Amino acid sequence: QQPVQSPQAVILREGEDAVINCSSSKALYSVHWYRQKHGEAPVFLMILLKGGEQKGHDKISASFNEKKQQSSLYLTASQLSYSGTYFCGTEPPGGGADGLTFGKGTHLIIQP
Amino acid sequence: NAGVTQTPKFQVLKTGQSMTLQCAQDMNHEYMSWYRQDPGMGLRLIHYSVGAGITDQGEVPNGYNVSRSTTEDFPLRLLSAAPSQTSVYFCASSYRMVGGYTFGSGTRLTVV
Repeated sequence: QQPVQSPQAVILREGEDAVINCSSSKALYSVHWYRQKHGEAPVFLMILLKGGEQKGHDKISASFNEKKQQSSLYLTASQLSYSGTYFCGTEPPGGGADGLTFGKGTHLIIQP
Repeated sequence: NAGVTQTPKFQVLKTGQSMTLQCAQDMNHEYMSWYRQDPGMGLRLIHYSVGAGITDQGEVPNGYNVSRSTTEDFPLRLLSAAPSQTSVYFCASSYRMVGGYTFGSGTRLTVV
């Protein structure tokens, strides 16, 4: 079952912050985050392996609440280059041998 | 390193035809997967492999076959193409999920 992402779409001005949420109905081993620009392949941003773990990548960070089976992606002081579709991918307990299950994505548009 | 290489980039098939989408990686990754991406649906897992000689079905395997005779190659075969298989197909590989998945550039398939 696909994780649920919210919101479906966000429009921001350059410099504003955004939060994208990912929620699963199943227990999770880890959560991945990817960004995809139009016509291109998804690009790996980060993986969160432990409950409560937070990771950062430039001004993009994420948290993972293992108990609530939720993850959030935080984009701070957004830049034009952050535009794209963001996907979370989840792994069930037991690790990633079974492949990732992706959400439907969140479209992020950054305007000057 | 070339990363993950997919061929062809574009393909048009007639209903009932068969074809093989090629995927090769040169990073010595154990995990490989095939996804299809349709508008509004996110990325859905077709088949995956955790190593040479080992494959398994994902969420949407019907109409597709895979094999993994070497670590490097993971071809996807469409047995008898149907219009419902019109999609963008991505191959991805990972070293035991440590660094996330690296995606190929995709194959845009149209079945008429």
